[in-house]
Amino acid sequence: DGGITQSPKYLFRKEGQNVTLSCEQNLNHDAMYWYRQDPGQGLRLIYYSQIVNDFQKGDIAEGYSVSREKKESFPLTVTSAQKNPTAFYLCASRESVGLSYGYTFGSGTRLTVV
Amino acid sequence: AQTVTQSQPEMSVQEAETVTLSCTYDTSESDYYLFWYKQPPSRQMILVIRQEAYKQQNATENRFSVNFQKAAKSFSLKISDSQLGDAAMYFCAYMWRGATNKLIFGTGTLLAVQP
Repeated sequence: DGGITQSPKYLFRKEGQNVTLSCEQNLNHDAMYWYRQDPGQGLRLIYYSQIVNDFQKGDIAEGYSVSREKKESFPLTVTSAQKNPTAFYLCASRESVGLSYGYTFGSGTRLTVV
Repeated sequence: AQTVTQSQPEMSVQEAETVTLSCTYDTSESDYYLFWYKQPPSRQMILVIRQEAYKQQNATENRFSVNFQKAAKSFSLKISDSQLGDAAMYFCAYMWRGATNKLIFGTGTLLAVQP
């Protein structure tokens, strides 16, 4: 079955550490997105990529980095510069046509700073 | 800037009754899509219903329907015959049919269904 796989489901980070969240899709979608979800704030866009080897900052990119070396993969690194990284992170993808179908989402990663 | 507003942080409905969740948005564009997503306790985002702005007819999916008022920039979701499984966080979202196709979300409405 096609879909988006995010791993790990739960991740714990110590202060000052960088951590990488994985997002893999086998839907052959060109565009991929990372969102952060905090209570009472909905989903906010961190980074997005519309094609391999290209990506753009979203609304809250500070303290995060991404890469898009393969169409299937869009990992997100939470760096030590991100002051408040504890949140739920969702990855999504979108096909090039059929925009009315919106995004397909992964099941998310819960990141906690310890 | 495009924004989406959900003014009801929490709602409650009795099982088998009908409930309406509100959503307003702000945009200067004319070609866009609107969506309602459901996020149950599992936190998986599930597409409930979608509306294309150029279509005047309101979208319907089984027990779910929308009231799309383009001039008022309003996009409410009506859930009929509410079921316990409808209990979830509901997000309204907007996507401009432009270069980036970014989804912009509201802050969500937490729906409780009382047996």
